[in-house]
Amino acid sequence: DADVTQTPRNRITKTGKRIMLECSQTKGHDRMYWYRQDPGLGLRLIYYSFDVKDINKGEISDGYSVSRQAQAKFSLSLESAIPNQTALYFCATSDLRGRHNEQFFGPGTRLTVL
Amino acid sequence: ILNVEQSPQSLHVQEGDSTNFTCSFPSSNFYALHWYRWETAKSPEALFVMTLNGDEKKKGRISATLNTKEGYSYLYIKGSQPEDSATYLCAFNRRYSTLTFGKGTMLLVSP
Repeated sequence: DADVTQTPRNRITKTGKRIMLECSQTKGHDRMYWYRQDPGLGLRLIYYSFDVKDINKGEISDGYSVSRQAQAKFSLSLESAIPNQTALYFCATSDLRGRHNEQFFGPGTRLTVL
Repeated sequence: ILNVEQSPQSLHVQEGDSTNFTCSFPSSNFYALHWYRWETAKSPEALFVMTLNGDEKKKGRISATLNTKEGYSYLYIKGSQPEDSATYLCAFNRRYSTLTFGKGTMLLVSP
C-alpha cells in the first residue's frame, strides 16, 4: 500500500540537543507538510513544501527547520530542542491533482524534550 | 491567520444516541472544507471533502452538510457506536492555501 511513514515513532531527548524527524512517502505526492499537535490546540502547520525546491514557513516555524531531500522525503529538524517543543508531530502529503488539498497523514512522532 | 472553530470541544454519548457537531469557518473566498476522523494512536483520516454550498456527504452512519454562505458545516453520526469514539477535525482552505484545522471535537461513545 502506498504510505506515509515517520521515524522515529517516539523520542525522548534533552534540552539543547539537535533532533531530526524523518518522513517518507510512497504515494508519489508532490506536496508534503509538517504539523505539531498539542492537547487543546489542534494541528498547527510548521513547514510545507510543494515540490523539491520549494520550502515555506507555516504558522509556527520558529525553532524548526526542514529539508526536502527528494520528492519522497521531508525532514524536520529541531536545532536546539526546548521543553515546549514536546508534542506529537505529524507529517502529511497531498497531491497537486487531488481532492482540494486532501491530506494523508503519517503515524506521528511523539517527541519529549526534558 | 484563519479562524476555524469547532463545537463542542468534547461530547460523551451512549451507544445508539445520534449526535452532531459544528465547524465554523470564514465565509469569504471559500474553496473547500474537510472533515477528518482521528482515533487515538492512529493517524487522522479524511472522511469528507466538501466544496459546494448545500453539499451533503454520507459514509455509512456519518453524514455532513455545508453552508458556505454563512460559514458552517455540521457532522452527524446516527446511532453512535463505541467504535465511533475519536476526535473529529475539520479543516478549511482557500484556493492555493494550506489547510487550517480546528481544534477538534472529541467524541466518546459508551456501551
